[in-house]
Amino acid sequence: NAGVMQNPRHLVRRRGQEARLRCSPMKGHSHVYWYRQLPEEGLKFMVYLQKENIIDESGMPKERFSAEFPKEGPSILRIQQVVRGDSAAYFCASSPAFRSDTQYFGPGTRLTVL
Amino acid sequence: GQQVMQIPQYQHVQEGEDFTTYCNSSTTLSNIQWYKQRPGGHPVFLIQLVKSGEVKKQKRLTFQFGEAKKNSSLHITATQTTDVGTYFCAGEDTGNQFYFGTGTSLTVIP
Repeated sequence: NAGVMQNPRHLVRRRGQEARLRCSPMKGHSHVYWYRQLPEEGLKFMVYLQKENIIDESGMPKERFSAEFPKEGPSILRIQQVVRGDSAAYFCASSPAFRSDTQYFGPGTRLTVL
Repeated sequence: GQQVMQIPQYQHVQEGEDFTTYCNSSTTLSNIQWYKQRPGGHPVFLIQLVKSGEVKKQKRLTFQFGEAKKNSSLHITATQTTDVGTYFCAGEDTGNQFYFGTGTSLTVIP
């Protein structure tokens, strides 16, 4: 049973470009979470999604950031017009059912904005 | 708003010494989870505690959930270099909001 997959593992973008981060949850998991981790800091919750629904986006910046989890395919975290402050590790996690279930984390995408 | 704080933020210990990290919530939690993140890695689930006063052990690791379900601790006996990493607690409050703690970074000096 494959774990949570994230790609790309490393992404370099110039200021103003778009970044698309993908997450495929574990098989059988319908709940996906995105977190951001700045260097030497903790995990900051961004958004919680189920298939085709955003359940909680209270941690998402109001502008430039969006997330989706379509019926088919991976969950996508999209950052438009990236700025240097967006440089961070973005982790996706999935769980089988409830939010408080064990969350299984992917390896993360390290975004660097030049 | 809800906060889940961990102390200490950083801890350096000699190999063989014990280590404890404390997790404190501003509100009552329905459950608490602990995760470990190795340097350069991703968080990995360690354990979940649900009951008030619950204590669970995993080899040299002992996890406790406070009686009031607002705090928790992770204790490692006789640390080894493989214990290096950041330990996060995470909890769900009674409003179904889920929060990660600020983390404790453990360095073990051989």
